[in-house]
Amino acid sequence: SQTIHQWPATLVQPVGSPLSLECTVEGTSNPNLYWYRQAAGRGLQLLFYSVGIGQISSEVPQNLSASRPQDRQFILSSKKLLLSDSGFYLCAWSVTFRGPYNEQFFGPGTRLTVL
Amino acid sequence: KQEVTQIPAALSVPEGENLVLNCSFTDSAIYNLQWFRQDPGKGLTSLLLIQSSQREQTSGRLNASLDKSSGRSTLYIAASQPGDSATYLCAVRLTNAGKSTFGDGTTLTVKP
Repeated sequence: SQTIHQWPATLVQPVGSPLSLECTVEGTSNPNLYWYRQAAGRGLQLLFYSVGIGQISSEVPQNLSASRPQDRQFILSSKKLLLSDSGFYLCAWSVTFRGPYNEQFFGPGTRLTVL
Repeated sequence: KQEVTQIPAALSVPEGENLVLNCSFTDSAIYNLQWFRQDPGKGLTSLLLIQSSQREQTSGRLNASLDKSSGRSTLYIAASQPGDSATYLCAVRLTNAGKSTFGDGTTLTVKP
């Protein structure tokens, strides 16, 4: 069976510090990978998605970046955090060529607080 | 640009009641629509996925319908239980490998 891991689960960082959040998927190959951010009481905002190693699409201009160094690893980074970067960060995966068609599965999330 | 709206934002019902959650979207050329449940502080759990060629999907007490022409989906929950209390989100995908657009969710409270 497939599982998705995110770490850390919670993180408190000062403004201006760097950030690295990691997401890994087990039990599948060549997944589509996604990073979302959820502000308090709101829906999900797609930040980045990737259809393969080294292929990253950015949806929202910001001081965040994403990388996919391995097939099942997706990393969200920042060189200098802003207060507005606080939120709940969720990683998700889906596959293209297997039913159910492109169902998305989410990780447990990382709660980031920037002080 | 696809926009997804969920109304109401919050709903409170007594235990045992049947209820309907609504999701509307502006671009009817969708690939699929997915309903999720989110408990406080947790990730999203997939409930039902409806492909664009389907009109409904069922899982236990849950039934999701899709009407592309009117840009609407509903999630029907039968015989609600306190354990159903959570936020329910719908997500619409336009293409096979592309992104999904999420609604802001409906927060459901089922009172014992």
